[in-house]
Parts: sequence; structure tokens; C-alpha cells
Amino acid sequence: GIQVEQSPPDLILQEGANSTLRCNFSDSVNNLQWFHQNPWGQLINLFYIPSGTKQNGRLSATTVATERYSLLYISSSQTTDSGVYFCAGKKYNFNKFYFGSGTKLNVKP
Amino acid sequence: EAGVTQFPSHSVIEKGQTVTLRCDPISGHDNLYWYRRVMGKEIKFLLHFVKESKQDESGMPNNRFLAERTGGTYSTLKVQPAELEDSGVYFCASSQEQVGRRNTEAFFGQGTRLTVV
Repeated sequence: GIQVEQSPPDLILQEGANSTLRCNFSDSVNNLQWFHQNPWGQLINLFYIPSGTKQNGRLSATTVATERYSLLYISSSQTTDSGVYFCAGKKYNFNKFYFGSGTKLNVKP
Repeated sequence: EAGVTQFPSHSVIEKGQTVTLRCDPISGHDNLYWYRRVMGKEIKFLLHFVKESKQDESGMPNNRFLAERTGGTYSTLKVQPAELEDSGVYFCASSQEQVGRRNTEAFFGQGTRLTVV
């Protein structure tokens, strides 16, 4: 299978700070997505980003497919950003997504 | 358009009881996946349907878990009998793989939190 390494595993921020989360893949993937699991356990789709850069409000993501990594940027963090951020990748025609272990983010007021 | 919908959002059952989780995929999506995250660990694949057929069920932990997708629409995941280690969050996802397209987005539901006491 594909190994997915996320860093950092834990992150504590003061409200208003910026952060960068990273996701490395052991193999190339054709589908790459970022998710946010909120404190209630719900999984929220953030980005579908097999390559390139996308932005959505205070969040943006960049995937460099040739180097098998992706970055998630959070700017002006808010307490509601707290939770666990997962990246997941999948090869074309393969059934399953491979998830990283997540980055646990705690934004303090 | 409605996204992937899961019911219930939270279930608390006693050890030995039966629980059935339901997933309604996005209309028209042939692919349906079940995943789960237990004990704060990684999100792991359980199984994959293409329409009503099980394409891959290699992630199902044991025979206490039974998934169905009658008619190729919604899916159910039954746990019988439930054990303490089954507690976690169960996610469903759907996608529509298109011929000739290498990249298709999977849409995840918000999950069912299962607590076995």
C-alpha cells in the first residue's frame, strides 16, 4: 500500500496565527484530498487537489505531484479550526484511499 | 445537490447488541466506500461497492460486520454483536469514476460515531 506521513502530528496555535501542514506520500497518487475532522468527529471535505494550488477563504492547499507531497495552509487561525486534519491519497483504479495519521490542531483563544 | 448522508450521527449501544449504520451516497454515484477511525487511530478502509457488488472487502475486520447495498443505492453496515473495540467513527464516501478520467473526487459523509459500552 501507500504510506502517508503527516507533519507535524500535533500543533498548538494562538488565535490569529498562521500554519502549514504537510503530507508526504511514498508513491504517486492520482487523487489527493484534505479533510478536517472536527471535535464532534465529523469529517469535513476541504480540498480535492491532485495537483496545483487551490484557495478557499483562509485555507489554501498546494500539491506538488512530481515530488509526492501536499501542503495545507491555514491563515489567521480561529478556535473553530481546531480538530484533526487528514490528507488521503488514492491511485487511479485502486479501491482505497490511504490516510495519514493526521495533524491534531488546537487553536487557543 | 445533497451530499453523502449518514444515519444516525451518533449511536450508543451495549456490548453484544446489534447496530445498523446507513449511508446514502450522492445520487448517481456507483462507487460507495466505508471507512472507520477507531481509538484515535488512522482512518482505515473497510470495503468498496460498485453499484450493488462488493468490489473489495479486504478491510472488514471480522465476520461480525456485514455490509449491503441492495439495488445499488444506499448501503447499510451492520455490526452484530458489537464489541467494545468497535467504538469509533464510521465514514461513508461515494464517487463516480468516469471512463477516461484519471482523477475523480470522493465525497465523504460526516460520519456515524459509534460508542459501545
